[in-house]
Order: sequence, then C-alpha cells, then structure tokens
Amino acid sequence: QLQLQQSGPGLVKPSETLSLTCTVSGGSITDSTYYWGWIRQPPGKGLEWIASIDYGGRTYYNPSIKSRVTISPDTSNNQFSLRLTSVTAADTAVYYCARHPLTMILGFYWGQGTLVTVSS
Amino acid sequence: QSVLTQPPSVSGAPGQRVTISCSGTSSNIGAGYDVHWYYQVPGTAPKLLISGDTNRPSGVPDRFSVSKSGTSVSLAIAGLQAEDEGDYYCQSFDSSLSAWVFGGGTKVTVL
Repeated sequence: QLQLQQSGPGLVKPSETLSLTCTVSGGSITDSTYYWGWIRQPPGKGLEWIASIDYGGRTYYNPSIKSRVTISPDTSNNQFSLRLTSVTAADTAVYYCARHPLTMILGFYWGQGTLVTVSS
Repeated sequence: QSVLTQPPSVSGAPGQRVTISCSGTSSNIGAGYDVHWYYQVPGTAPKLLISGDTNRPSGVPDRFSVSKSGTSVSLAIAGLQAEDEGDYYCQSFDSSLSAWVFGGGTKVTVL
C-alpha cells in the first residue's frame, strides 16, 4: 500500500528557506503513470496546490508562487523535495505531499501532512 | 480567492439530502477536466471521496453522488449521517493557469 511520509523542520524563520522531503513507499516516483506533488493548507483555510513533478523530472508550478518554489526528485532514495525561499508568516501551513495520476481521471492520494510555522 | 467556488457551509438534519456546489469556468470544469471531491476531518489529511462522475474509492458509500451541468458540479449526500460532518473540497485542473485547483471548501454540519 502506498505511503507518503513528509519530513523537515517544523519551524522556519522569516526570509529563510523552507525545505521538506517526501519519502515514498509502496510506489515509485519513476512510475510513468503518476505525478508527485505538494499541497498546503494554512491554519483554518483551504487547500492550495504548490508544485508537482513527473516520472521524467518535469516540473509544474502554481503560477502564484512559482518564483519561490523548487520541486526536485531523488530517485535513488525514492523521495522528492520541496524548497520554498524567502518565507513569511503567510507560508505557515500544513504541507502535504501527494500522488496524482497523469490521466487526471482520479484525484490526489495524500500523505498525513506536516505543520510548518514561520516565526522568529 | 479560489478558482473553484463552493458555498462556505451547508447543513441538514440526519437522513436529509444535502448538496454542495462547485462552480468553475470554461478553462476547468467547462473544459471537461474531471472534478474530484475530498472529505477532511479537521486536523487530518483530506481523503478522496469521489472522482469524476462515479469513481468511489473502496469503502465510500453510494450515498455520495455527483452531477454535472455546464461549468458546475454538485456533490450530493443522501441520508445524511453524523459521521458526514466535516469539510468537503472540490478539485480539478485549469488549462489557463496550467495548475491543479481547489474550491475553497464547504463545512457540512449535521443538525
């Protein structure tokens, strides 16, 4: 069964870089039928897709945040990572990693999420 | 401002039928991209409830159904139960933005 496990610091200072890793088990990030992505949810608010990457390493970013975001694969460890630069309090959120199919006929399968707080 | 528009809240008595609308545009729902619905209990990760017209993951009862009209999709919950309380989100793909997009979420309350 697919499992997605997020890891990374729970507290980041303003203006610094947020870095998270998603470790995949029960599936492969080189599977040609899926994207692997990040979604976030600020406290008490809705969901926002951030970025996704496909089996070939092609990247897709939310235009509203694209200038600050990098998603990258680590195929040797079956992981993918998120980097978000120049963070502010508005980036405080639960960050989820997820798998979603290239065909888009099915939805996202989610990890359990990790809270990242931006504060000095 | 979410690309897909949902009502902030809906409520109903046990046993009633409630519907949650998800309104989009010609670049997402109207363009034919599938709409997916998620259920979230606060403090936990969203779970896929129904994909497209009828694709329910194992364990999701057929009390949940979807209908589509033009640039809107609606999720119906028949025979409302206390366990149905939570937040519901619609999601699709937008070709103009080249982005996966979500609705703002709807809180369902069982009276």
